[in-house]
Amino acid sequence: TQLLKQSPQFLSIQEGENLTVYCNSSSVFSSLQWYRQEPGEGPVLLVTVVTGGEVKKLKRLTFQFGDARKDSSLHITAAQTGDTGLYLCAGVGPFGDDKIIFGKGTRLHILP
Amino acid sequence: GAVVSQHPSWVICKSGTSVKIECRSLDFQATTMFWYRQFPKQSLMLMATSNEGSKATYEQGVEKDKFLINHASLTLSTLTVTSAHPEDSSFYICSLGGQTQYFGPGTRLLVL
Repeated sequence: TQLLKQSPQFLSIQEGENLTVYCNSSSVFSSLQWYRQEPGEGPVLLVTVVTGGEVKKLKRLTFQFGDARKDSSLHITAAQTGDTGLYLCAGVGPFGDDKIIFGKGTRLHILP
Repeated sequence: GAVVSQHPSWVICKSGTSVKIECRSLDFQATTMFWYRQFPKQSLMLMATSNEGSKATYEQGVEKDKFLINHASLTLSTLTVTSAHPEDSSFYICSLGGQTQYFGPGTRLLVL
């Protein structure tokens, strides 16, 4: 059973368009994180959301944590080719510990 | 944030041999480190939790006798893949920290 479901798995859009990636679960997390991973490298943390309903902005990226702390979304405004990469959501503490459970990821490709 | 290094960054070995991968924290003392495995185009799968001074905790389906973990100090954890087979070829990543995890750059293992 997959604890965290990310959608879409793949997304290819033109530069300048907007997009939203979703991360859903039936479990409650103490916090939820979004990472970006480049090929051949470890994931790099983008943001951590902790409070239900929380919204965080990182330049053109907007992250939202669901009110029930079970889901999250990542919205990118005016995508750029530099946004291309693998975006991973990760739930922290689904079992009351510090374990991080990763979603399958969304592979984003921004076309010039 | 913490700086995490892994050595080697890549390794090629023959089937049946053992390979040791090191994960070092350069500026953070970690009583707990995590080891992940990532197959091509897939997400990170938690293999085990490395505990300083005690036995590692393995996730379901991960063979503890095949993937030996030693967390001898607060800055070093090692993962040894014993009697490696081609199906063990993967990208191995370690992480450390609390609610915010810092990931190493990964080690790519290819077993011929």
